[in-house]
Amino acid sequence: EPEVTQTPSHQVTQMGQEVILRCVPISNHLYFYWYRQILGQKVEFLVSFYNNEISEKSEIFDDQFSVERPDGSNFTLKIRSTKLEDSAMYFCASMPHRNTEAFFGQGTRLTVV
Amino acid sequence: QKEVEQNSGPLSVPEGAIASLNCTYSDRGSQSFFWYRQYSGKSPELIMSIYSNGDKEDGRFTAQLNKASQYVSLLIRDSQPSDSATYLCAVWMDSSYKLIFGSGTRLLVRP
Repeated sequence: EPEVTQTPSHQVTQMGQEVILRCVPISNHLYFYWYRQILGQKVEFLVSFYNNEISEKSEIFDDQFSVERPDGSNFTLKIRSTKLEDSAMYFCASMPHRNTEAFFGQGTRLTVV
Repeated sequence: QKEVEQNSGPLSVPEGAIASLNCTYSDRGSQSFFWYRQYSGKSPELIMSIYSNGDKEDGRFTAQLNKASQYVSLLIRDSQPSDSATYLCAVWMDSSYKLIFGSGTRLLVRP
């Protein structure tokens, strides 16, 4: 069964460093998302991506965040200068069409020290 | 007003009982509604989707939707200890083209 895959599963980084989280969405899906979940809190929307551009972003998704689909299969989230409060689980999700089921990857646990 | 609201729980039920989980949403134009299950430290796993008013059944799970009341629920029949998890209600917001999650209800099924 097709699935969304994310790498790495766990990343530890020093405050101020850049990190890139990677995702391979399900191959025929058109809509891609990043969500964040701080430990013990809700799953928060960060950004949606369609047709090679951002279609929606939250207040959390400020200038230190960026997304890219560099090669037609990978979907990346870059955090330019990490802060302690960026420590969270980051989930990638993909949808075949707008307004349908979203399928999630297993997540990347980001720890900023 | 929060976009998607759920009671955080925990909701504790004995094994074999029916667990009832509820969710309300703010965007009256929303058309698509989803229930996800999340085990601790894991990613959300899709259980059910519902798009029309009424009930939709899948095995032990029944989703119920009332758009007039802006209310979605999930019933789990014959609850098992393995059903113990956090259940997330998610609503596709037509007004903003994004899928928004509630904070989740923690379910505990007692053996």
